[in-house]
Amino acid sequence: RKEVEQDPGPFNVPEGATVAFNCTYSNSASQSFFWYRQDCRKEPKLLMSVYSSGNEDGRFTAQLNRASQYISLLIRDSKLSDSATYLCVVKGAYNFNKFYFGSGTKLNVKP
Amino acid sequence: EAQVTQNPRYLITVTGKKLTVTCSQNMNHEYMSWYRQDPGLGLRQIYYSMNVEVTDKGDVPEGYKVSRKEKRNFPLILESTSPNQTSLYFCASDRLYSNQPQHFGDGTRLSIL
Repeated sequence: RKEVEQDPGPFNVPEGATVAFNCTYSNSASQSFFWYRQDCRKEPKLLMSVYSSGNEDGRFTAQLNRASQYISLLIRDSKLSDSATYLCVVKGAYNFNKFYFGSGTKLNVKP
Repeated sequence: EAQVTQNPRYLITVTGKKLTVTCSQNMNHEYMSWYRQDPGLGLRQIYYSMNVEVTDKGDVPEGYKVSRKEKRNFPLILESTSPNQTSLYFCASDRLYSNQPQHFGDGTRLSIL
């Protein structure tokens, strides 16, 4: 079983739509969680950290459900510029600095 | 500006060459890591380092070496390039034993003919 699993998509949505991505992780002792955005052939860039209480940054909301071991990302009012691959990333517990990456969910926002 | 710098950004070479990809960070991070990214396989860790002179294998270390003689630098060495090393490579760094995210370099696209 993979450490981090994501639906690869693609998610094709019109501008203005709300879209949600989920991600599950296998190690219940994992401590830190992140969403990264990656544009084609570019480096992953941190979108937001995910906290137990949930957090929001403009149109983006991230939630963590430790009991069910999943992380979500909600994007409201999608823009064309949101088209990218979104990586779910979990920082390991035992080897504390090891990062586990989901394979990414591709989002295409259409005019 | 906090950054991770990789060089070269692009390289095309042939089988059997020795190649070094450099990585440098200016954030005084203890932890540095190399990844390769291939279509359908996501990011896979090659090697990592928890501090100067402390390195260890990641998930796909075969065919690669690293060194960590200084805290800021973590070069990736391909002793004898092969076509299966054609990939997009990323260097990353972060603070050891923290809950902080990793910072990535811009990436190095290697093509081995």
